[in-house]
Amino acid sequence: RKEVEQDPGPFNVPEGATVAFNCTYSNSASQSFFWYRQDCRKEPKLLMSVYSSGNEDGRFTAQLNRASQYISLLIRDSKLSDSATYLCVVNRVSGTYKYIFGTGTRLKVLA
Amino acid sequence: EPEVTQTPSHQVTQMGQEVILRCVPISNHLYFYWYRQILGQKVEFLVSFYNNEISEKSEIFDDQFSVERPDGSNFTLKIRSTKLEDSAMYFCASSLTSEGWTGELFFGEGSRLTVL
Repeated sequence: RKEVEQDPGPFNVPEGATVAFNCTYSNSASQSFFWYRQDCRKEPKLLMSVYSSGNEDGRFTAQLNRASQYISLLIRDSKLSDSATYLCVVNRVSGTYKYIFGTGTRLKVLA
Repeated sequence: EPEVTQTPSHQVTQMGQEVILRCVPISNHLYFYWYRQILGQKVEFLVSFYNNEISEKSEIFDDQFSVERPDGSNFTLKIRSTKLEDSAMYFCASSLTSEGWTGELFFGEGSRLTVL
């Protein structure tokens, strides 16, 4: 089983739609969780960290379920500019600090 | 805003040649990383570096790869004898991480390596 798994998509949604992505991780010792956004042929950029209590940043909401080992990202009122690949990133501490990336979920917001 | 910088942005090389990719991490960061992304595929961990030594490396990071922090600011990735399958985008990243707390990864814009 992969350490971090995501549905690769693509998710094609109309502008204004709400879309949700899930990510599962296999290592229960994972400690920190992030969503990154990657535009085509660019570097990943932090979208938001994911906290145990869940957190929101504008139209974006992230949730963490440690018992089920999954993380979610909800995007409300999708914009054309939200089209990108969303990467789930898990930090596993095992004497070192290693960030593991999921394959990413492609989102295309359609006009 | 502080940023991670990488050079070159694109390098074309012949198979079997040595390549050095350079990175300047954010100055107060403690952990440095190299990641690789083959076109259309996932971001893959290569190596992490802390306190002037490798702290972890992946199966990809075999004997043809090496990293160095020669002068306290640059962080380099050397590929000794490039293969066609080394063609990829190589991302350098750094993080401000301490005991019990992990911060976000900051990425450079990447160095695209094309091996012919």
